[in-house]
Amino acid sequence: ELKVEQNPLFLSMQEGKNYTIYCNYSTTSDRLYWYRQDPGKSLESLFVLLSNGAVKQEGRLMASLDTKARLSTLHITAAVHDLSATYFCAVVKEVALEYGNKLVFGAGTILRVKS
Amino acid sequence: KAGVTQTPRYLIKTRGQQVTLSCSPISGHRSVSWYQQTPGQGLQFLFEYFSETQRNKGNFPGRFSGRQFSNSRSEMNVSTLELGDSALYLCASSPFWVGTETQYFGPGTRLLVL
Repeated sequence: ELKVEQNPLFLSMQEGKNYTIYCNYSTTSDRLYWYRQDPGKSLESLFVLLSNGAVKQEGRLMASLDTKARLSTLHITAAVHDLSATYFCAVVKEVALEYGNKLVFGAGTILRVKS
Repeated sequence: KAGVTQTPRYLIKTRGQQVTLSCSPISGHRSVSWYQQTPGQGLQFLFEYFSETQRNKGNFPGRFSGRQFSNSRSEMNVSTLELGDSALYLCASSPFWVGTETQYFGPGTRLLVL
């Protein structure tokens, strides 16, 4: 069974600081999503990582995927208050081509950026 | 382009009733996936529909079912509601299968079972 672990689950950081959220998963997969969720809101797609070594950047966020280590990271550079949200990773579990894929989510990391 | 829409946005039901939720994907998207979000279990995959066919299903009882129409709109049905079915139900659409491209989420339907 595919398990996805995020850490930390809660992160309080000062504006201007850098930090990394980690997403570990237990079985082979080479595709992973990162999402952001604001309180009471839906999920917003941040990144889709579709191969080993994939790296994507958008503004102050950068995501990478190491399929051999079964690890993805979401790096935050020079945090600002607007980045406060809950961040989820979701790993694609391939069942079989004809049966489609499932997404297995991590528990989420609550990020609070203090000014 | 209009985003993913879900109706209704809020719903209150009592135990034993059934409920139908609706999701309209982004125009041109053929995949619709459904997810349940609760404080205790987090985000869980319910099922995916692609071109009117269910491609995969999460670990949910048979009370949870769905379908997709020829215009890609999808409905999810929960029969014999239980208190534990109270949750935010999210649908997401993408041009192709889950795991191939970005998924766009709707605003969700918040279901409360009394």
